[in-house]
Amino acid sequence: AQKVTQAQTEISVVEKEDVTLDCVYETRDTTYYLFWYKQPPSGELVFLIRRNSFDEQNEISGRYSWNFQKSTSSFNFTITASQVVDSAVYFCALSEATGSSNTGKLIFGQGTTLQVKP
Amino acid sequence: DSGVTQTPKHLITATGQRVTLRCSPRSGDLSVYWYQQSLDQGLQFLIQYYNGEERAKGNILERFSAQQFPDLHSELNLSSLELGDSALYFCASSAGTGTNEKLFFGSGTQLSVL
Repeated sequence: AQKVTQAQTEISVVEKEDVTLDCVYETRDTTYYLFWYKQPPSGELVFLIRRNSFDEQNEISGRYSWNFQKSTSSFNFTITASQVVDSAVYFCALSEATGSSNTGKLIFGQGTTLQVKP
Repeated sequence: DSGVTQTPKHLITATGQRVTLRCSPRSGDLSVYWYQQSLDQGLQFLIQYYNGEERAKGNILERFSAQQFPDLHSELNLSSLELGDSALYFCASSAGTGTNEKLFFGSGTQLSVL
């Protein structure tokens, strides 16, 4: 069965510290997609990144970077020089292929609450 | 702003009642998804519709039902409500229905069953 595990329930850092959010997934699919979403205090889920299973290149977007390692089934997210505005719940998710019927359904991890203190 | 509109934002009702949550997807998106977010269960997939037809079903209770209308908006109906149904209900939309779809989420409907 497909599963996403975010072992860190809560992380607290001081502004300007770097922080890494861990994500480990399980799937039997050979082709799949991984995602990160951010849920700020306002509540709406905001898309951050999508990565397919064949692309193991690390990706950097400003202060955000993602490390995808297929060998360890991990897709970790690092925020460099964290800011108070980064405080949110972050979700890692895995797309699920259901037999021959493609869906866009996502399996979410439990989320990691990041608190960045000034 | 994701472009996905959910109404109402808040809903307070009593046990045994029935409510309807409404979702308008982003312009041009054909898929609509419903998710339930609670403290103990996290984000749980309920159901997906694609261009008016049910595409995938998750852990949706028999007391819950949904549909997608010809104009692509969707409604989630929750009946015989129980205290445990209190949660944040999200609607999301995507252009298609592949495993690479990027989902855009609405701001959610906070349901409180008293």
